Amino acid sequence: SQTIHQWPATLVQPVGSPLSLECTVEGTSNPNLYWYRQAAGRGLQLLFYSVGIGQISSEVPQNLSASRPQDRQFILSSKKLLLSDSGFYLCAWSRTVTDTQYFGPGTRLTVL
Amino acid sequence: AQKVTQAQTEISVVEKEDVTLDCVYETRDTTYYLFWYKQPPSGELVFLIRRNSFDEQNEISGRYSWNFQKSTSSFNFTITASQVVDSAVYFCALSEYSNSGYALNFGKGTSLLVTP
Repeated sequence: SQTIHQWPATLVQPVGSPLSLECTVEGTSNPNLYWYRQAAGRGLQLLFYSVGIGQISSEVPQNLSASRPQDRQFILSSKKLLLSDSGFYLCAWSRTVTDTQYFGPGTRLTVL
Repeated sequence: AQKVTQAQTEISVVEKEDVTLDCVYETRDTTYYLFWYKQPPSGELVFLIRRNSFDEQNEISGRYSWNFQKSTSSFNFTITASQVVDSAVYFCALSEYSNSGYALNFGKGTSLLVTP
C-alpha cells in the first residue's frame, strides 16, 4: 500500500529565515505530487505540482519554490519567510492527473 | 470566480440526526471529477469519494451517501444517524482540465459539529 510522509509536523520560524519542508511517498513510482497551503479560516490553495523529476509547475506567484530531486520526494522551500507564509502545508500524491489525490499529515508552519 | 460553493459554513446537529452538506460546482467541461474530503481536527485530509461526470449514480457507503445531479450542478453529501466522530470540516472539490492540467479546486469547507 502507499503512504505519504511529511516533516516536520510543526515548525515555528522567524520572519526572514529559510524554509524546507519535505514530502516523500512510498509504495508507488512516478507519482504526481502536489503542495497545498491552507491558511487559517480559508480553503486549500494549490501551490505547486509535479508530474516527474525536475518538472515543477507553479500555481501562485510567491516567495516559495518547490523541487523534486527524486521520484518520490517533493520539497517546498523559501529563502526568506514572510508572516503571510504561516499556514498548514499539505502534500498530496496521485497516480495520474485525473486520479484521486491522497494527502499527507501536513506541516503546521508559524512565522513570527 | 469560485468554482465550488459550499454555502453552509458551519452546521451543528445532535447525535443521531441526519445532516446534508451541500456542494454546487461550476464548469464548462463535459469531463470532470468531483470529490469529498474530510478534515478531522488532526488536520489530515481524508478522501471519501470520487465521481466522474459521466457517472450520475448515487452512492451509499455505510452511513454516508452522495447525490450527484448534473442538472443542478450539485454533489451533496448526507450523513445518516450522525455520530460525534463525524465532527470535522468537509471539503467538496472539482477537478477539471486547465492550463495546469487537472487542477483540484476546493470549496471553502463546511464545519460539522455533532454533539452528544
